[in-house]
Amino acid sequence: QSALTQPPSASGSPGQSVTISCTGTSSDIGGYDYVSWYQQYPGKAPKLMIFEVYKRPSGVPDRFSGSKSGNTASLTVSGLQAEDEADYYCGSYAGSNNVVFGGGTKLTVL
Amino acid sequence: EVQVAESGGGLVKPGGSLRLSCAVSGIIFSDYTMNWVRQAPGKGLEWVSSIGSSGSDTYYADSVKGRFTISRDNAKNSLYLQMSSLRAEDTAVYSCARLKMVVGAPTNAFDLWGQGTMVTVSS
Repeated sequence: QSALTQPPSASGSPGQSVTISCTGTSSDIGGYDYVSWYQQYPGKAPKLMIFEVYKRPSGVPDRFSGSKSGNTASLTVSGLQAEDEADYYCGSYAGSNNVVFGGGTKLTVL
Repeated sequence: EVQVAESGGGLVKPGGSLRLSCAVSGIIFSDYTMNWVRQAPGKGLEWVSSIGSSGSDTYYADSVKGRFTISRDNAKNSLYLQMSSLRAEDTAVYSCARLKMVVGAPTNAFDLWGQGTMVTVSS
């Protein structure tokens, strides 16, 4: 069982927005501004999409945005495109040089 | 071109040992904290271990502490994971991942990953 809780699936039509939640505790998400999000295609390596709650690495489209409230972080994908269909994982620093992850959410573009 | 390539995975019996390697090119390897992250079949990501840029600081997840040892050779741009007393629950794809730094500060996010190497623990 993963330390962070994500919904197993999410979906939306092209052009719509979809938000994926990631729930932790005050010892991880709630305690630090070190939430990250990763996109993973089947059989491929994860790709960093968001770090430090809302920051985007160079090259990540601004359709991807991150936020946090209390012990819950969120990833929002706006203007959904077919290529956004993938698995998404959240991660958070949990103190003592430990990082925890969520179980992943499969995003389907209808 | 940046390349990350893991090797050393395979089938091992419970209680056995295995050594994973990760070769990195295209970056100044010695500048970065490196990590091992694993993913069991059909499951989420799990951070396993990290090692500081010089190799002097190492950290482990509770699930592997005392059984796994992380190390690096900066002269060879390589990261290693020595695994012993292996259990069925260690079965996973093991990937090496770079800790993202911004203006010299760690972000606790991983911005460079390899494809991973599969470790199967079964009798």
